[in-house]
Amino acid sequence: DARVTQTPRHKVTEMGQEVTMRCQPILGHNTVFWYRQTMMQGLELLAYFRNRAPLDDSGMPKDRFSAEMPDATLATLKIQPSEPRDSAVYFCASGEGGYSPLHFGNGTRLTVT
Amino acid sequence: GESVGLHLPTLSVQEGDNSIINCAYSNSASDYFIWYKQESGKGPQFIIDIRSNMDKRQGQRVTVLLNKTVKHLSLQIAATQPGDSAVYFCAENHHLNSGGSNYKLTFGKGTLLTVNP
Repeated sequence: DARVTQTPRHKVTEMGQEVTMRCQPILGHNTVFWYRQTMMQGLELLAYFRNRAPLDDSGMPKDRFSAEMPDATLATLKIQPSEPRDSAVYFCASGEGGYSPLHFGNGTRLTVT
Repeated sequence: GESVGLHLPTLSVQEGDNSIINCAYSNSASDYFIWYKQESGKGPQFIIDIRSNMDKRQGQRVTVLLNKTVKHLSLQIAATQPGDSAVYFCAENHHLNSGGSNYKLTFGKGTLLTVNP
């Protein structure tokens, strides 16, 4: 089965360090989403791309977070500088748009100490 | 703001029983709904979806019911098995344009389903 691939699976870093998370969406999917999951907030939408163009990043702290799609096979989410409150599981999901479901990767668990 | 919420944060059932997980939504513009299952250490996994022009859809052992009048969604799992133990999320899809090509998927908080053998 085709699946969304995220790397790394786990990341532990110190406050102030840069963190880059990567996602390979399912081939042929034209929408890519980044979500953050915490116990307190649940699944929060951070950013959303369609055909590699950013459409909605209103859920993302602009001063430290950035999301890009250098090409159709790679999406990145970067945090610089990282803070302890950024500790969460970050999920990437891709889809075909319209009335079709998103397919999620298994996430990157980020711990910022 | 409008949001998706769940009535029950936890549900415990006996193996073989039927499970019903409920979800309330408040965005009347939502026209597509999805149920996901999330197991520990994994990402949400698609279970079943339904468009707002339907009120019922069935899959293998699962049925989704949509009541637009009261803005309520439910997931029914028949003959619940230990492997069904997970957190279940409902998500509503609010299309950002009339063509349906851009959308924003909003998730509820989740319900933990525990199946007792």
